[in-house]
Amino acid sequence: QQQVKQSPQSLIVQKGGISIINCAYENTAFDYFPWYQQFPGKGPALLIAIRPDVSEKKEGRFTISFNKSAKQFSLHIMDSQPGDSATYFCAASDLQFYGNKLVFGAGTILRVKS
Amino acid sequence: GAVVSQHPSRVICKSGTSVKIECRSLDFQATTMFWYRQFPKQSLMLMATSNEGSKATYEQGVEKDKFLINHASLTLSTLTVTSAHPEDSSFYICSAPGAGDTQYFGPGTRLTVL
Repeated sequence: QQQVKQSPQSLIVQKGGISIINCAYENTAFDYFPWYQQFPGKGPALLIAIRPDVSEKKEGRFTISFNKSAKQFSLHIMDSQPGDSATYFCAASDLQFYGNKLVFGAGTILRVKS
Repeated sequence: GAVVSQHPSRVICKSGTSVKIECRSLDFQATTMFWYRQFPKQSLMLMATSNEGSKATYEQGVEKDKFLINHASLTLSTLTVTSAHPEDSSFYICSAPGAGDTQYFGPGTRLTVL
């Protein structure tokens, strides 16, 4: 119930291409879905986040698509660049009951080839 | 955005000794902070929730006597790994909720126990 399943485990994309990472959840009480980017040896940094009352949110080259009925959400990175090569984590939280406690997906290692 | 710092960034210690890691929210107050550990190429695993002025809440399977947490002020939480052993070697990361739903992560502390 508390799990967030993330796929793929790793992804190789050509420079300029679109990177797509998917996550699925079971707990319908989750009401906050952030994506984090992590470089080796660093802490995660918030990329973009969405609430379930909207189906899409875009910030620059990063877009979250959210499908409430399917209990799935995805991250799209447009015009992927070598500097985007990092590990990406989706997460979810039940803000009402558990506050800011996040449940993380397993992570996706993205490599953008130049 | 809000900044969370950790000190030290790296620590090497001998087996059987104790190590203290500090987590500070630099420009905001945090009544709650979270401690995670992360093994190489794995996701973040929540260890405990640090509560200012009260006892920490530990996740299932985390030894509270081994991982001592103290939230002494609204900007400082400490994690002490007591009687450290090589299997405690890991990347320890703290986080604190900032404005809105956003959670900010520290840069992490790499602990190596010899």
